[in-house]
Amino acid sequence: GAVVSQHPSRVICKSGTSVKIECRSLDFQATTMFWYRQFPKQSLMLMATSNEGSKATYEQGVEKDKFLINHASLTLSTLTVTSAHPEDSSFYICSARFQGAEAFFGQGTRLTVV
Amino acid sequence: GENVGLHLPTLSVQEGDNSIINCAYSNSASDYFIWYKQESGKGPQFIIDIRSNMDKRQGQRVTVLLNKTVKHLSLQIAATQPGDSAVYFCADILYGQNFVFGPGTRLSVLP
Repeated sequence: GAVVSQHPSRVICKSGTSVKIECRSLDFQATTMFWYRQFPKQSLMLMATSNEGSKATYEQGVEKDKFLINHASLTLSTLTVTSAHPEDSSFYICSARFQGAEAFFGQGTRLTVV
Repeated sequence: GENVGLHLPTLSVQEGDNSIINCAYSNSASDYFIWYKQESGKGPQFIIDIRSNMDKRQGQRVTVLLNKTVKHLSLQIAATQPGDSAVYFCADILYGQNFVFGPGTRLSVLP
């Protein structure tokens, strides 16, 4: 199946700093990328949907100024957590889709803010 | 499915037995459904999908059943193995755009 690479897999940052997470589709062009957040023992919660070259659509309750999403090319989307705080510590997962319905997921990024 | 943020229900099965994981979805307009498997600390992996014009689809050791009347989806795993231990999520596609994930079920395979 298609491969989506997410980097880094783990990151620890100090409170107040910003962290960038990359999501790349390695063998296909992703017309749409999704960013999810997952708390322990809970399901995936969609944060935002981004289409290449246009602004991301954020879900209700997700601060767009805090979670900056850039989808500059058909193979790369980035999520930047700005001014991170301990409550932002979570597992962040991206997924990518090319036209069809099936989405392929990245490996996830474990963010710990200390 | 709706993410209600609850602790995951757990299904424990004996190795070699069949597993049945159930999922309810809420939107009758959903026309595509996927089951994902998520191992600890990893992203979800695609298992099997089904479109709304079908009621059954089989893969290798897995079968998905769709009952649109009651908006219910199930995943059957034959001859469950230790490597099947994971959290399983169903997802339905809303208006061909966003995935809506169910709360997930943790499958534990007992030796």
